[in-house]
Amino acid sequence: DAGVIQSPRHEVTEMGQEVTLRCKPISGHNSLFWYRQTMMRGLELLIYFNNNVPIDDSGMPEDRFSAKMPNASFSTLKIQPSEPRDSAVYFCASSPGTGGRGEQYFGPGTRLTVT
Amino acid sequence: DQQVKQNSPSLSVQEGRISILNCDYTNSMFDYFLWYKKYPAEGPTFLISISSIKDKNEDGRFTVFLNKSAKHLSLHIVPSQPGDSAVYFCAASGGYAGGTSYGKLTFGQGTILTVHP
Repeated sequence: DAGVIQSPRHEVTEMGQEVTLRCKPISGHNSLFWYRQTMMRGLELLIYFNNNVPIDDSGMPEDRFSAKMPNASFSTLKIQPSEPRDSAVYFCASSPGTGGRGEQYFGPGTRLTVT
Repeated sequence: DQQVKQNSPSLSVQEGRISILNCDYTNSMFDYFLWYKKYPAEGPTFLISISSIKDKNEDGRFTVFLNKSAKHLSLHIVPSQPGDSAVYFCAASGGYAGGTSYGKLTFGQGTILTVHP
């Protein structure tokens, strides 16, 4: 089992550029979550999907952030345009069941630096 | 509004001694609680969980205690080992009236545990 796969692992970009983070959840998992981790705010949930449908995007900080899940095996988180305050580690996680008891499997994260 | 709080940013213990990590929550509708461990440059990994119908769950060296009346849970590691040095996150699930939460978790800020040889 490959676990949750995220790419790229590191991304350095200039302010104003578009950034796309990618995630492949564990096969068979129905729920997918995007998190952001910063020193100030800890681990924040940005958005989550169930059966490819966005359920709650209240954690998405601004309209500059968008997320899609076109199929059960792929999701993207896009930031356009990026700003220095978006610098953080972004995690994707997946979970096996709807209404499950919350055990989530995390990917290794993407460290984003916006200069 | 931080619904899950870990008030100790860091904890340092000697190898072989007990480590106690604490977590408080404010949402009385949370009904399932989890602890995750995170090493540098890796994602968090699930450690142990407890349902609100229990007050204790044990798995090897790890025990989680839940005090619902105080809205408090703790993770005990005994004996502590240097390999336990990591960031520990408390998380809570539930608390969404009228529908499923799809397993949505609310995380605390994390506590950095350092176990000295």
